[in-house]
Amino acid sequence: DQQVKQNSPSLSVQEGRISILNCDYTNSMFDYFLWYKKYPAEGPTFLISISSIKDKNEDGRFTVFLNKSAKHLSLHIVPSQPGDSAVYFCAASGSNDYKLSFGAGTTVTVRA
Amino acid sequence: DVKVTQSSRYLVKRTGEKVFLECVQDMDHENMFWYRQDPGLGLRLIYFSYDVKMKEKGDIPEGYSVSREKKERFSLILESASTNQTSMYLCASSLAWHNSPLHFGNGTRLTVT
Repeated sequence: DQQVKQNSPSLSVQEGRISILNCDYTNSMFDYFLWYKKYPAEGPTFLISISSIKDKNEDGRFTVFLNKSAKHLSLHIVPSQPGDSAVYFCAASGSNDYKLSFGAGTTVTVRA
Repeated sequence: DVKVTQSSRYLVKRTGEKVFLECVQDMDHENMFWYRQDPGLGLRLIYFSYDVKMKEKGDIPEGYSVSREKKERFSLILESASTNQTSMYLCASSLAWHNSPLHFGNGTRLTVT
């Protein structure tokens, strides 16, 4: 049973516009959340994280928002660039957990 | 920068063969992980290790075993490969057991025929 869900398998956005990726989780014990980016034939690379004591974390063009009551987080990419075309994975873990639980991924395509 | 190196990018094996996937990290991380990635399923944890000779089952350990004889090396073993083990295998390491991102290798694409 997947505890982290990314319900949109794909997203297409025009260059310069905002990309919004969504992620829902079911485990109320999760308190650390991450986003990874993956290009074909490469391993995922860490993008940004947020702990449950915050509701927003920003790093350059990337911002993650956390809504604990809704068990929902989102990743905003502004402005989107062609190099952002990749698969994005949402992941989460709890304080007594070694492991990360991953969503199925969202493929982002940035159109020129 | 953390470097996680997986020994093979592509492997083709026959059903029933014993398969070894090797992974080495160079940052003295305590924790190492093996995931597999399949379309529509994301990344699923097979096994992880939090210390030398220590291992824990992940979500899908059936058909796999692991070995961690040295801190920097974590091996995944398919005792008798089957076609449903055709997948992308990703090794990762992390510094701490919580609130610490995983650093991934580039993956091994295994095809079992």
